[in-house]
Amino acid sequence: EVQLVESGEGLAQPGGSLRLSCAASGFSFSDKTMHWVRQTPGRGLEFVSSISTNGDHIYYADSVKGRFTISRDNSKNTLYLQMGSLRAEDMAVYYCAIEGDFCLDVWGQGTTVTVSS
Amino acid sequence: SYDLTQPPSVSVSPGQTATITCSGNKLGDKYVCWYQQKPGQSPVLVIYQDTKRPSGIPERFSGSNSANTATLTISGTQAVDEADYFCQAWDSGTEVFGPGTKVTVL
Repeated sequence: EVQLVESGEGLAQPGGSLRLSCAASGFSFSDKTMHWVRQTPGRGLEFVSSISTNGDHIYYADSVKGRFTISRDNSKNTLYLQMGSLRAEDMAVYYCAIEGDFCLDVWGQGTTVTVSS
Repeated sequence: SYDLTQPPSVSVSPGQTATITCSGNKLGDKYVCWYQQKPGQSPVLVIYQDTKRPSGIPERFSGSNSANTATLTISGTQAVDEADYFCQAWDSGTEVFGPGTKVTVL
């Protein structure tokens, strides 16, 4: 069974940092481009970042560029999102997802990021 | 940036057909995906490449895409289909999502 399990949920102060992880199982992780997507009641679903199979191609949303870093460890079947200079508008549920045929085939259960002083 | 528009809500009686639209400039030139999200759950892919259903998705879900509008159709809607539905397309190498449509089965 394909599974994505996010972790790293927590509270951070404005300007602080947080690292999210996404543990993958049930598929060949190293063969799949992976995404982070976030969701808020006000802005809905929003692309955050994506990384190709070997990390050669990385994309970021303009809203997080320069503050967030996506990475992956194919030996550990794990995707990461290092979040820095956090802002109130970064508060959201963050999902990792597998890129398939022009869509996100499978999503994790999501992890909540709260930014507050 | 590329914008997708969806109606905020659609109501349908059990057994009837629900039609959810997604509009965007020249959307028909792009592949569209549809996701279903129930309260407290993560999104589930129900349609990919405009018209295809992933394994395990019931046949009552179908999709189309032409000109500026993509459509998700739920035929013979059931109570379990009550959920939020999001469309998604690609623009400049990243995905763009519609705001979502809440489907209520009355």
